Amino acid sequence: EVQLVESGGGLVQPGGSLRLSCAASGFTFSSYDMHWVRQGTGKGLEWVSGIGTVGNTHYAGSVKGRFTISREDAKRSLYLQMNSLRAEDTAVYYCASGDGGWNYWGQGTLVTVSS
Amino acid sequence: QSVLTQPPSASGTPGQRVTISCSGSSSNIGSKFVYWYQHLPGTAPKVLIYNNNQRPSGVPDRISGSKSGTSASLAISGLRSEDEADYYCAAWDDSLSGWVFGGGTKLTVL
Repeated sequence: EVQLVESGGGLVQPGGSLRLSCAASGFTFSSYDMHWVRQGTGKGLEWVSGIGTVGNTHYAGSVKGRFTISREDAKRSLYLQMNSLRAEDTAVYYCASGDGGWNYWGQGTLVTVSS
Repeated sequence: QSVLTQPPSASGTPGQRVTISCSGSSSNIGSKFVYWYQHLPGTAPKVLIYNNNQRPSGVPDRISGSKSGTSASLAISGLRSEDEADYYCAAWDDSLSGWVFGGGTKLTVL
């Protein structure tokens, strides 16, 4: 059974940092592109960042220069280092992957940026 | 303001057919595959359509996708109460070098 389990969310002050993790199981992690998608309260889905199987990375304009995505295939893990956090980064963050669309999703981890 | 434009809401009665539109541009829908996701509050999104019109296993054939030019549509026929959810279109955007979602359409089954 495929599982993606996010962790690392929490309450952080504006300007602070947080590192999210996503632990994968049930599929060949190293063979799949991985992504972070978020949903702010009352807002729609927003793609945040993606990383390919060879480590190539892409970012949404809203997070470029502040967030860094990485992966550790040996640990079957995906990460998102979030720096200079802003109130508008408050959201549930999902990791996602799959073939034929993103058919693998985690349950999400809540990040709240507030003083 | 989302790069892909969807109507904020749609509705229908049980058994009816509803369509949800998604409008983009040449840098996304016009040249890339379109994907559709269903999202229920508190749950993980679920892919309904990939590569414009392909259904993953387990998605019923009453759900279909189409694309023409820079627009795409999701159709749900034989509407059921469990279809009440938020629906999002998505595509890769060459100009932005990233994935873009529509703003989402809230489907209400009356």
